[in-house]
Amino acid sequence: SAVISQKPSRDICQRGTSLTIQCQVDSQVTMMFWYRQQPGQSLTLIATANQGSEATYESGFVIDKFPISRPNLTFSTLTVSNMSPEDSSIYLCSVFGSARNEQFFGPGTRLTVL
Amino acid sequence: DAKTTQPPSMDCAEGRAANLPCNHSTISGNEYVYWYRQIHSQGPQYIIHGLKNNETNEMASLIITEDRKSSTLILPHATLRDTAVYYCIVSPNTNAGKSTFGDGTTLTVKP
Repeated sequence: SAVISQKPSRDICQRGTSLTIQCQVDSQVTMMFWYRQQPGQSLTLIATANQGSEATYESGFVIDKFPISRPNLTFSTLTVSNMSPEDSSIYLCSVFGSARNEQFFGPGTRLTVL
Repeated sequence: DAKTTQPPSMDCAEGRAANLPCNHSTISGNEYVYWYRQIHSQGPQYIIHGLKNNETNEMASLIITEDRKSSTLILPHATLRDTAVYYCIVSPNTNAGKSTFGDGTTLTVKP
């Protein structure tokens, strides 16, 4: 199994500012995934972060808005830039376990933009 | 990834079996059926997965039809703590496959 921690667990931010969310995994993983969950909705994949290369973004998400860093095999950050109230969501990071059968998720970062 | 269809909500009496259906009629031969659940304010949690045979673990059983176009997750003795959103996902069983989440089924277990 993989244990994932995220910081911060929640934050309230002002419109126009940026927030960087950290994700730490207790084991080395090739890929890390960032998801967004808007209020009352399912999870939507934002991007896949590989160590040593640029992140791959899903349709509707761009690097300027959601820059991602992946400095090593256990850590990643997602920045939500120039925030608006529409960015209010839970942001979750995820990895596959070593057996590659299941995905593990962090506890999420609950972001509220005023 | 193939799309899945689940009922938006279901109720179940505490102690009874909860049977959650999922349709995945466009599933490919290399795609597995995965089930996750998300309890309020937590990240999704893996429950079980299978390819074509029925599977059982300490949490649940997974019944996959012979044509693999649908499946049922069974919680044999539902408790109040099983109240959650349950997601059925089909995905290749590789590290390169990322899970695409549908809308899921909100299961409410009632006393």
